[in-house]
Amino acid sequence: DIQMTQSPSTLSASVGDRVTITCRASQSVSSWVAWYQQKPGKAPKLLIYRASTLEGGVPSRFSGSGSGTEFTLTISSLQPDDFATYFCQQYSKYSRTFGQGTKVEL
Amino acid sequence: EVQLVESGGGLVKPGGSLRLSCVVSGFTFSDYSMHWVRQAPGKGLEWVSSISSSGSYIYYADSLKGRFTISRDHDKNSVLLQMNRLGVEDTAVYYCARGALGLPVAATYFDSWGHGTLVTVSS
Repeated sequence: DIQMTQSPSTLSASVGDRVTITCRASQSVSSWVAWYQQKPGKAPKLLIYRASTLEGGVPSRFSGSGSGTEFTLTISSLQPDDFATYFCQQYSKYSRTFGQGTKVEL
Repeated sequence: EVQLVESGGGLVKPGGSLRLSCVVSGFTFSDYSMHWVRQAPGKGLEWVSSISSSGSYIYYADSLKGRFTISRDHDKNSVLLQMNRLGVEDTAVYYCARGALGLPVAATYFDSWGHGTLVTVSS
């Protein structure tokens, strides 16, 4: 199975900060990566797919980049609603695995 | 509005069985692959099982060792997960999720999720 390693596992930030989360794949997954946001007690919410395509309704302060084995999720200016846990997921080569998550906290 | 509503979770003893259901609305059910993803308490997300839009293609995580069965009922717009020989390691919130339109059932992201149903396996 393809492993997805996210870093950091926890990130302390303030409102207005630029935040970057990294996800590394154990082998190339081309651009087949999605990012999700999850708040406590809630279901994950799709933010980005195909590494950099923003899902409809997602604020433009979220962006994604990367290809091959290294991917990043960036929040350009952290808002109070953005404190949450973020997961990457690869969907390449007939498999789908998630990163272990990054908690963004104050 | 797209909605996925899971039910069927609860407390079960080790070795027991449960059947989870996910009823969907707001989209053409027969166009989409459907999936189950679980999350153990305080842990990350783990893909469990997938079924293609037609029901012809089905996949399971290797870790399940043949204990789970996924199916779909197009008359009831629902997807089911039959879970047998449950162990404490199966304790988790189980989410029903919709696969992205046009992507292969075995290689897709999940664009809509239900609220989840909690399965607790304990003696």
